[in-house]
This record gives sequence, structure tokens and C-alpha cells, in this order.
Amino acid sequence: DTEVTQTPKHLVMGMTNKKSLKCEQHMGHRAMYWYKQKAKKPPELMFVYSYEKLSINESVPSRFSPECPNSSLLNLHLHALQPEDSALYLCASSLRIGTDPYEQYFGPGTRLTVT
Amino acid sequence: GQQVMQIPQYQHVQEGEDFTTYCNSSTTLSNIQWYKQRPGGHPVFLIQLVKSGEVKKQKRLTFQFGEAKKNSSLHITATQTTDVGTYFCAGLIQGAQKLVFGQGTRLTINP
Repeated sequence: DTEVTQTPKHLVMGMTNKKSLKCEQHMGHRAMYWYKQKAKKPPELMFVYSYEKLSINESVPSRFSPECPNSSLLNLHLHALQPEDSALYLCASSLRIGTDPYEQYFGPGTRLTVT
Repeated sequence: GQQVMQIPQYQHVQEGEDFTTYCNSSTTLSNIQWYKQRPGGHPVFLIQLVKSGEVKKQKRLTFQFGEAKKNSSLHITATQTTDVGTYFCAGLIQGAQKLVFGQGTRLTINP
């Protein structure tokens, strides 16, 4: 199984809502990532988890709160978002992080619209 | 900040023509990876290059990594409509633990 799954596929939320994005992989990968992608732009790294611990936070606003409950699951909790946060949110996983080259497997993404 | 520059931003070709996209980094890369993202899809890993001067082929796709490990290219021979999408290079800066993505080259093809 080389698949990363993400739910929901689409999400529309108001600026006062609280919602969560979910990501799951069963490849035994110990590194998991959240990326944000705007139209016609490359994926922009938000967070990296390594062995269920937050390893990298790319100075993301606190209205985005990641969580890694176990080695297969990754959540992104959303609260008080702004319209400019509307984007495709991609989850990815890789065997590990580090200076060795590990390819990343991306999920299909959640298309988020903030109204 | 650390950047990986990718050109061209867009490329439109006739089916059957060749296509090349280039990536350049201001700093030495540990490795470079290439991803393809179809319209409406997500990035899919194509290949990674690790060694200086490395060349790898996948059918009609040829990937090169420069001798100084600062640049890379992807060449597609005789494009087909299935090649449509955005091609991203992503470099691992030496000593860092995260990929830096290029801006991508969006390939469109006239059948």
C-alpha cells in the first residue's frame, strides 16, 4: 500500500469555525508533512513530524495546529482562519527525514475555502 | 533564503516536440527530486538524483544532475498529451532536512 489518504476532499468554513483535516498512511513511514499549495505555486512546507514529534514548524500562524496521534495519522486543526488561508492542503509522508534522500508520497489534498 | 530557481515557468509545445525544464540552486544540494502534478492532482514523485553528474532515464524522460550538484534538468523526448502537468524540482540543501521546491514548469501540449 503506497497511498496517503486525506479527508475531507473539500472543506468550506467560516472564519469563526473550528475544523480538522486528517491524513493517514500505512507505509510504515516515520516522517509526515503538511504543505499548503496556492494555485499555480509550488507546495509550501508548513510542518514536519518525525517519529510523532514536531520537527519543523515553518513559522506557521497559531490558527493552524498540527497533531500526530500515532505513526500513521496526522491532523491539522484549523481555527479562526482568514480568507487568504484558502488553498489546497497536502499531506505527505516519507520513510524518514534527514540528509538522506527519501522521496515523499503526497496525498490527494483537501481543498479548503474560507468564507 | 535558500532557493531553487526553475525555468521556464510555462511551456507550450506541439505533441511530438521535445521539452526541457531547468533547476538551479545557489547552494550545493545533497540530492534533487522531481515531481509531476497533473491538473487538479497532487505531486507524484518521479525520480531522485544523488550523485554528481548523474543521469537517469525513464522511457522518454531524461534527468540530469550537474557536476557541482547545483543544477538539474528534466528532458522529455517526443511529448505526448499524457505529459501535461506541472513539473517541480525539489532540492535537499546540504545540511538541511527539508526539500526546497522550485516554482515549477507548467507544460501544456497541443495535440
